[in-house]
Amino acid sequence: EAQVTQNPRYLITVTGKKLTVTCSQNMNHEYMSWYRQDPGLGLRQIYYSMNVEVTDKGDVPEGYKVSRKEKRNFPLILESPSPNQTSLYFCASSFQVGETYEQYFGPGTRLTVT
Amino acid sequence: GDSVTQMEGPVTLSEEAFLTINCTYTATGYPSLFWYVQYPGEGLQLLLKATKADDKGSNKGFEATYRKETTSFHLEKGSVQVSDSAVYFCALSGNNAGNMLTFGGGTRLMVKP
Repeated sequence: EAQVTQNPRYLITVTGKKLTVTCSQNMNHEYMSWYRQDPGLGLRQIYYSMNVEVTDKGDVPEGYKVSRKEKRNFPLILESPSPNQTSLYFCASSFQVGETYEQYFGPGTRLTVT
Repeated sequence: GDSVTQMEGPVTLSEEAFLTINCTYTATGYPSLFWYVQYPGEGLQLLLKATKADDKGSNKGFEATYRKETTSFHLEKGSVQVSDSAVYFCALSGNNAGNMLTFGGGTRLMVKP
């Protein structure tokens, strides 16, 4: 089954304690990205990757890091989490269909930073 | 920059009622337009899309028409069901390297039996 998986699904942590949220896709997509969802703001892109070892900033990259060492994996790293990073995070992978790219989203990771 | 505005919710309807969720956008060039649906506890799923002016996207009884003259992409369904209760997001994809989607704030739809 084609899917994007994220772990963990729920995480409560304290300010400053480094954490990693994993993302994996089994569709051999080149493009992957991370979004955060906040009430009333929709989803905003944090980082994206166009292929292995190629990453770039999205709309709201401050406080986040990513890496793309393998095509299927795209972890999101918070080196020193702060309460304003409390949010719902989605990983997505995408492929080209005609003139557009269609994105598959993971189930989400709800992060609370106290 | 690009932006998407959609009506605030929640929208509460009775089963079999007609649904319209308004969406307007601001973008340079010719973006592609999408509607995504998010069911409780799940990620977003692509509902429908349109890639050029006057295109109509449709899926599962939902429809939306790309109106360049009014920069709109309103979502409609003739007869909603309880199972349509979810959050609906309008989004656009402009000419950017990251395939970044610009989302509206989302509209929660609640359908009562």
